[in-house]
Amino acid sequence: SQQGEEDPQALSIQEGENATMNCSYKTSINNLQWYRQNSGRGLVHLILIRSNEREKHSGRLRVTLDTSKKSSSLLITASRAADTASYFCATDQYNNNDMRFGAGTRLTVKP
Amino acid sequence: GAGVSQTPSNKVTEKGKYVELRCDPISGHTALYWYRQSLGQGPEFLIYFQGTGAADDSGLPNDRFFAVRPEGSVSTLKIQRTERGDSAVYLCASSSGGGSYNEQFFGPGTRLTVL
Repeated sequence: SQQGEEDPQALSIQEGENATMNCSYKTSINNLQWYRQNSGRGLVHLILIRSNEREKHSGRLRVTLDTSKKSSSLLITASRAADTASYFCATDQYNNNDMRFGAGTRLTVKP
Repeated sequence: GAGVSQTPSNKVTEKGKYVELRCDPISGHTALYWYRQSLGQGPEFLIYFQGTGAADDSGLPNDRFFAVRPEGSVSTLKIQRTERGDSAVYLCASSSGGGSYNEQFFGPGTRLTVL
């Protein structure tokens, strides 16, 4: 069964704008990961945040985690057309070691 | 070094036939995962191997699906008596260790079409 749910399902912005995607999950977690998938390709890992962390940065990516609300957000700053892709969050369940993915947010960045 | 590879890239079969999908993980990666992805959906977990053993097969939808990893490297996902609903992209991923704190490296997937 799926654990995370992304919101919105689809997001369309202009190049240079910021994109924010949210992920909510149901049960306690150890770790949460964000992945990107370009159309017709495999998934690429973006960032991992542990349950005891509140925020992480990687280049133009900023991820936050609020365990009290069981939610995470992915912010892409100064978006580029090349950021057009689907973005997925993946979470474990507290006593499991494998990940479950949400349905994803489809981001379109218009040049 | 080489990433995760999957063969074939596309497989078309008829309802009721048997298919095998192969995954070659990154060398040295002990953990291997199979997922299924339908159009517009996220990857759906099928099975997770740690070494040669299936650590979690709770995602396999029914007994028509089976996976092996006999030497702890290459894995084969086997689907018997295929049904049209099995049509999807089957993704394989590997990681250096088990656990949700390890990044998973995904292959390009095998697109299975059951006519």
